[in-house]
Amino acid sequence: GAVVSQHPSRVICKSGTSVKIECRSLDFQATTMFWYRQFPKKSLMLMATSNEGSKATYEQGVEKDKFLINHASLTLSTLTVTSAHPEDSSFYICSARGVRDRSNQPQHFGDGTRLSIL
Amino acid sequence: AQSVTQLDSQVPVFEEAPVELRCNYSSSVSVYLFWYVQYPNQGLQLLLKYLSGSTLVKGINGFEAEFNKSQTSFHLRKPSVHISDTAEYFCAVSGIGSGNTGKLIFGQGTTLQVKP
Repeated sequence: GAVVSQHPSRVICKSGTSVKIECRSLDFQATTMFWYRQFPKKSLMLMATSNEGSKATYEQGVEKDKFLINHASLTLSTLTVTSAHPEDSSFYICSARGVRDRSNQPQHFGDGTRLSIL
Repeated sequence: AQSVTQLDSQVPVFEEAPVELRCNYSSSVSVYLFWYVQYPNQGLQLLLKYLSGSTLVKGINGFEAEFNKSQTSFHLRKPSVHISDTAEYFCAVSGIGSGNTGKLIFGQGTTLQVKP
């Protein structure tokens, strides 16, 4: 149980392209989803917290217009990297917490998306 | 606010030897504590968590961790490692109480390298 699917697993695209990454909770309803960015050999940096039906809360230093997050349903959140540039290349990971989960319950992680901007 | 420090960036160890991965945290509020494992090009898998109660918690794959409030530590241990334990390990905390959204603050990660 508690499976989170992230798609695509890998994407390579040209500079200036916008890229959408999907995060789905397959067997539970996720009221809260989190988006992380991970640089090589580095820890996970929380980018934003999204709650179903409301605007995402971005961490300090994360550009809202650059990283658009939509959480339109209880099973789907999307991250769109707009006008991507090589410096946006990274490993992006989403996680989700269920409707019944309390804040002390662990998040369920997707397998990540490797984004490479040429 | 919370912060997490994993004191070792890399830990090399021989197969079947014991291992300890160190984690210290700081927080102005009480916290929940977690250890996650990440295999190459994959997401994170929960190893174990401390919420309350017994300070010694057991997780999957033979791992355990001990919460020490006075030392603000949550070190991860395994008595005998396998080659398959080679991975990146992350310690994380989540603040308790109103105003805390349950977001995780991660340490820098420790690479466990198990050698034959």
